[in-house]
Amino acid sequence: DVKVTQSSRYLVKRTGEKVFLECVQDMDHENMFWYRQDPGLGLRLIYFSYDVKMKEKGDIPEGYSVSREKKERFSLILESASTNQTSMYLCASSLDEQFLNYGYTFGSGTRLTVV
Amino acid sequence: DQQVKQNSPSLSVQEGRISILNCDYTNSMFDYFLWYKKYPAEGPTFLISISSIKDKNEDGRFTVFLNKSAKHLSLHIVPSQPGDSAVYFCAASARDNDMRFGAGTRLTVKP
Repeated sequence: DVKVTQSSRYLVKRTGEKVFLECVQDMDHENMFWYRQDPGLGLRLIYFSYDVKMKEKGDIPEGYSVSREKKERFSLILESASTNQTSMYLCASSLDEQFLNYGYTFGSGTRLTVV
Repeated sequence: DQQVKQNSPSLSVQEGRISILNCDYTNSMFDYFLWYKKYPAEGPTFLISISSIKDKNEDGRFTVFLNKSAKHLSLHIVPSQPGDSAVYFCAASARDNDMRFGAGTRLTVKP
């Protein structure tokens, strides 16, 4: 069974802290994505990666960076956490040729609270 | 600027009846459309998809309709069941990946 695992379910961090959100997939997928989910706004794309060492900005990359050193792992970094980054963060992965039949596989999410 | 819009935040239907969830998009380059279902404390799960070369795709109780000229798609669930109660997200992609999502519609199916 395919799996996307996000390291933390809940996180509470202080304003100004550097925060790492980790995501690992065991499906050998090329593509990985980070979204945040906020009420009334749905899922918004932060960053994505089509291959190791590659990254591309999504719609709301400001205040975030990413790292993809290995195919299975995609990390989201909040360089200096702020209260407006309090949100649910969702990681996803996909395989190009299976996209239309299976879409993305999502992790369970990390609810981050910045105080 | 949201390229995918779900204008109804919530929908309530009786068990056994039809649920119709609507979605509009603005980007004419989108050629793949997907619906996801999300339960609380879980990630979204893929439900059904359609490519722009089709106008209908059916999978059991779920049917997605695409009207390209109106840039509109809808998800029909017939018959609706209490277990269908969840938030439904519409998503669209201009190529095989890099999807944009709507804000979601919370469906409640009453027994």
